[in-house]
Amino acid sequence: EAGVTQSPTHLIKTRGQQATLRCSPISGHTSVYWYQQALGLGLQFLLWYDEGEERNRGNFPPRFSGRQFPNYSSELNVNALELEDSALYLCASSFTGTVNTEAFFGQGTRLTVV
Amino acid sequence: DQQVKQNSPSLSVQEGRISILNCDYTNSMFDYFLWYKKYPAEGPTFLISISSIKDKNEDGRFTVFLNKSAKHLSLHIVPSQPGDSAVYFCAASAITGGGNKLTFGTGTQLKVEL
Repeated sequence: EAGVTQSPTHLIKTRGQQATLRCSPISGHTSVYWYQQALGLGLQFLLWYDEGEERNRGNFPPRFSGRQFPNYSSELNVNALELEDSALYLCASSFTGTVNTEAFFGQGTRLTVV
Repeated sequence: DQQVKQNSPSLSVQEGRISILNCDYTNSMFDYFLWYKKYPAEGPTFLISISSIKDKNEDGRFTVFLNKSAKHLSLHIVPSQPGDSAVYFCAASAITGGGNKLTFGTGTQLKVEL
């Protein structure tokens, strides 16, 4: 069974540009979560999508947005990139409706803003 | 506001001995706790979890202990192996938060030496 897959693995952008990160969840999982891990920090919750809708978002500005497609894959968009957006972005997926189950993570996208 | 805290950024243990990683939380609404292991350039891998109705959960070499009154949990690894060297994240979730949104600690780097 394929795990959570993210693309691209690495992404280099210039300040002010937009970045798009993609995530495919484990088959059967309908919830997708996005986390940011900046250097020296823990994983910070960004967004939660379920059944195509945004269910919850963390303490991030509106230039962080995304969507979930009918096949449950997801995109994270970061507009007007700033240097401090450089981080590892992790996507996780889990089943919906069963609270307190494990979320499984992808390998992440390393975003570098120069 | 760090709701999940791992106060030891690093821990060094000899092979064969016990590794004890600690985690404290402040939010009394948390009812499910997880430990993830992370190697460089990879996403976190789920290790073990515990519900707030239990005080211990064991899986092979890994045991998690929960002390609700102290809002403290710990991960015991025995015996420790060199392959256990990684960053360990403690995470917590709350039913009221919906889904499986996880709040992570900042991680503890475990080094198991020969």
